[in-house]
Amino acid sequence: SQKIEQNSEALNIQEGKTATLTCNYTNYSPAYLQWYRQDPGRGPVFLLLIRENEKEKRKERLKVTFDTTLKQSLFHITASQPADSATYLCALEGNAGNMLTFGGGTRLMVKP
Amino acid sequence: DADVTQTPRNRITKTGKRIMLECSQTKGHDRMYWYRQDPGLGLRLIYYSFDVKDINKGEISDGYSVSRQAQAKFSLSLESAIPNQTALYFCATSDDGSGKAYEQYFGPGTRLTVT
Repeated sequence: SQKIEQNSEALNIQEGKTATLTCNYTNYSPAYLQWYRQDPGRGPVFLLLIRENEKEKRKERLKVTFDTTLKQSLFHITASQPADSATYLCALEGNAGNMLTFGGGTRLMVKP
Repeated sequence: DADVTQTPRNRITKTGKRIMLECSQTKGHDRMYWYRQDPGLGLRLIYYSFDVKDINKGEISDGYSVSRQAQAKFSLSLESAIPNQTALYFCATSDDGSGKAYEQYFGPGTRLTVT
């Protein structure tokens, strides 16, 4: 069966450290993968998109990697800040084409 | 003003009642989506529409119906609400895919409670 797995346990890190979140998938062959941020009680906000032929993508303090062999994406936030505390969702193109399927999200808590 | 708006933001209703959730967007996008979010389950697609004349079922369409009144408006109806439809509902839009991937823009959500 198709699965998108993100660590359901919250990730707690100290301010200034690098946060690394993982997204694993099975039985998908996505052409791209997206990461979203969601704050409590609000809709998800798009952060980054990475395509299958890209190994790495960066945007300011954010870095995403995409390994289609391992079927995994890693999402890094460097020099993390308390304002980075949120739930981060990965989403990938489902096999139906052009439709996104979302993982359950990982909650990140950055402590001052 | 917000690009994607949803009304109502919160709603409590009783089992068996019909309820409509509305979504409007000013982004000029053709594609619109309805998702529900339950704790630990992520976002699940209910219905989607690629233009005014196109409506498609998503992963969990049973018990729901939709109407695409205009490019900017997409409504979700629960014909006879039941308690396990208690959830957070999101509307989203995206540009025409045309074979490319585009990010989705989400509304603020509607928190629905069915008692």
